[in-house]
Amino acid sequence: GENVEQHPSTLSVQEGDSAVIKCTYSDSASNYFPWYKQELGKGPQLIIDIRSNVGEKKDQRIAVTLNKTAKHFSLHITETQPEDSAVYFCAASRVKAAGNKLTFGGGTRVLVKP
Amino acid sequence: GAGVSQSPSNKVTEKGKDVELRCDPISGHTALYWYRQSLGQGLEFLIYFQGNSAPDKSGLPSDRFSAERTGGSVSTLTIQRTQQEDSAVYLCASSLVLGSSTDTQYFGPGTRLTVL
Repeated sequence: GENVEQHPSTLSVQEGDSAVIKCTYSDSASNYFPWYKQELGKGPQLIIDIRSNVGEKKDQRIAVTLNKTAKHFSLHITETQPEDSAVYFCAASRVKAAGNKLTFGGGTRVLVKP
Repeated sequence: GAGVSQSPSNKVTEKGKDVELRCDPISGHTALYWYRQSLGQGLEFLIYFQGNSAPDKSGLPSDRFSAERTGGSVSTLTIQRTQQEDSAVYLCASSLVLGSSTDTQYFGPGTRLTVL
């Protein structure tokens, strides 16, 4: 089955700096890669996703890049703010009509210092 | 509109007891997923339902775990004879199936289960 590795496990940055989180996956058939943000006591919230037919996607201060050949994808957060502090999870799956089981990375705890 | 809701938010039970966890998906979403989040195992898939198809139970850790989805909406995850290792946050997600592919999964707040 799919295996997703995520690094680093913790990341501390100064407010205004950039944060980068990297993930690798094992199943070359995976074609959907979402990123979730989880705040304390809440469920994961999708912040951005990318499908295997594109290499990069941006949404304001957040961007995700995908390298299918190397089987890795990354999350980039620019101009970090204290409210970006949370745990971030990457995931991978094979999207199909019958369902979309997500395999998650281990998570990255991001702390943005004011 | 309303998101995915789960109840109870917290559940404390004694080892050996049965528990039921409930999930109300977003209205109109045909796919429903259960995941478990624990310190040792991270976020792991348990089971999903898609329309009237047979559920994919491949992630259930043992036969003590079961789930059903009535009327294509509400789902209940049942854990029988709970063990301490069942302590975790149980998360439910739903998605809207569009054409030949499934869409974004939206998560509920989870149920924190503690087995004493």
